[in-house]
Amino acid sequence: QSVLTQPPSVSAAPGQKVSIPCSGSSSNIGDNSVSWYQQIPGTVPKLLIYDITKRPSGIPDRFSGSKSGTSATLDITGLQTGDEADYYCGTWDSGLSAVVFGGGTKLTVL
Amino acid sequence: QVQLQESGPGLVKPSGTLSLTCAVSGFSISSGYYWGWIRQPPGKGPEWIGSIYQSGSPYYNPSLKSRVIISVDTSKNQISLKLNSLTAADTAMYYCARQRLKVAANPYLYYFDYWGQGTLVTVSS
Repeated sequence: QSVLTQPPSVSAAPGQKVSIPCSGSSSNIGDNSVSWYQQIPGTVPKLLIYDITKRPSGIPDRFSGSKSGTSATLDITGLQTGDEADYYCGTWDSGLSAVVFGGGTKLTVL
Repeated sequence: QVQLQESGPGLVKPSGTLSLTCAVSGFSISSGYYWGWIRQPPGKGPEWIGSIYQSGSPYYNPSLKSRVIISVDTSKNQISLKLNSLTAADTAMYYCARQRLKVAANPYLYYFDYWGQGTLVTVSS
């Protein structure tokens, strides 16, 4: 059981928008910054979003993040087949004193 | 260009000890970042193992703390991981990564920006 909860899968058509939620608690998402990672099958996790909304250099603005209370959301617009991957949220849990991750959401671009 | 490369045995026996090394190039590990270990069992999400600063005390995942030692060798620009009392549940891809510290009223570890390619460790007799 992951500390952060994500739906196992989401899907949408090319060109559409998809939102991936990440639910936590007051000791993790509610209190701390959130990051998101993309992992294309067989590859290394790649940082997509940090500090809730910021994108590292080279990440297109089709990817955006937000937070409300104890939940965070990753939005992907203009979906492309190359976006098919597993997406993970992560943050610090102040109660556990640990970095925690979500269980991951598999995105399928139909 | 920051690069990290994990190395170590791919097969270890149950009850044994896993020893991995992460060599960092293109960046000095003494330059003010944390360096962490993360593992990912097949088909599952990442699990943080622990992180260390260039000279400070390491942070460990409470669930693994009794079995883990992370150390840093600044002369070789590398970090190391030791995990003992292995079981099949420790079978996973093991990654090292550079980690940022969030500067806040209560500082905390957060995102990993550069990752190694990972090394698959299988625990089996």
